[in-house]
Amino acid sequence: QVQLQESGPGLVKPSETLSLTCSVSGGSISNYCWNWIRQPAGKRLEWIGRICATGSTNYNPSLESRLTLSLDTSGKQFSLKLTSLTAADTAMYYCAKSVVPAAPFDTWGQGTRVAVSS
Amino acid sequence: DIQMTQSPSSLSASVGDRVTITCRASQDIFTYLSWYQQKPGKAPKLLIYAASRLQDEVPSRFSGSGSGTDFTLTISSFQPADSATYFCQHTYNTARITFGQGTRLEIK
Repeated sequence: QVQLQESGPGLVKPSETLSLTCSVSGGSISNYCWNWIRQPAGKRLEWIGRICATGSTNYNPSLESRLTLSLDTSGKQFSLKLTSLTAADTAMYYCAKSVVPAAPFDTWGQGTRVAVSS
Repeated sequence: DIQMTQSPSSLSASVGDRVTITCRASQDIFTYLSWYQQKPGKAPKLLIYAASRLQDEVPSRFSGSGSGTDFTLTISSFQPADSATYFCQHTYNTARITFGQGTRLEIK
């Protein structure tokens, strides 16, 4: 059974770039789509974007200008880079798996908290 | 964007109660609707997909219904372990997936 584990810096300064990685274990990274979702404290979940094993990507339009998703199949991990951070980017960040783009998110990582502060 | 609106925002239930949470989409999403349960400090867990299909290992007291714009999550007999926040999600527009604002369910 696929398991996901996020890793990241925890604290990032305003205007800097956030880099997060999600490691995949217990299954193949090559057959699915891989999503990023975030949740500010007490607020609803926000889908950030998705990269599929085919190489196709979709980004949330509200983040697209600052966002890059990548996939490392040999390393069994996928990554997020978000530039020009502000306090509004402070949130819990999750990675999640879907079988195809229209499928639900059937497996989630435990999440990694990111705070943007000087 | 497709807006997902849940009601109520919060509710409390006694053990054994039948609980119903609704989710309304701002446009027709057919049955591209999923429900998630989230407990404090934990990642969301998929309960229902395709509006009415029960995810593996989810208790049968959970059920989903609806199509188009109106959907319902029902817990047939509320248990203390069901205290959580519940979110709906559409995947109809795969380039702009959105979630409902959540419904917090507590034990009375």
